[in-house]
Amino acid sequence: DVKVTQSSRYLVKRTGEKVFLECVQDMDHENMFWYRQDPGLGLRLIYFSYDVKMKEKGDIPEGYSVSREKKERFSLILESASTNQTSMYLCASSKLDGHLRGVTEAFFGQGTRLTVV
Amino acid sequence: QQPVQSPQAVILREGEDAVINCSSSKALYSVHWYRQKHGEAPVFLMILLKGGEQKGHEKISASFNEKKQQSSLYLTASQLSYSGTYFCGPGSNYKLTFGKGTLLTVNP
Repeated sequence: DVKVTQSSRYLVKRTGEKVFLECVQDMDHENMFWYRQDPGLGLRLIYFSYDVKMKEKGDIPEGYSVSREKKERFSLILESASTNQTSMYLCASSKLDGHLRGVTEAFFGQGTRLTVV
Repeated sequence: QQPVQSPQAVILREGEDAVINCSSSKALYSVHWYRQKHGEAPVFLMILLKGGEQKGHEKISASFNEKKQQSSLYLTASQLSYSGTYFCGPGSNYKLTFGKGTLLTVNP
């Protein structure tokens, strides 16, 4: 069974803390994505990566960074957490496909609900 | 920029049909459709490719108008299990973005 695993379901952090959200996939997928989900705003892309050590900004990268040192792992980093980063964070992965210009069926993790106080 | 979905919400009775629309200002090479049930992760429904080819896993149909940069998802004879939030998004150049979603509620 395919799997995308996020390290925590719930996380509470203090303002100013450095926060790491980890995502691991076991499908040997090249593409990985980080989204945040807020009521009424849908899924907004923060960062994505199509290869180890490669990273690209999504639509809302400000205040975030990412790391992809191994193919199966994609980490989202909040350098200095703020209350407006309280949200549900979803990680996803997909196989690379030249015909589809890179993005095939994406599999999502269960999400991390982050609260910054 | 996020693609635009319409309607934002729709309520159906079991057995009724619904159409969800998705449009993008960017060139679409493929369009993805996902459904998210409350408290769960989004799950893949379908990919539509430029040129008309469809790849999907469920008995839900869709269309892709390349000229208008629009896609529509057709849910016919809806079942209670169709309830959830539907997201569309262009998938191209390694990037997958989504609209704000359409909340579909199917009542008995």
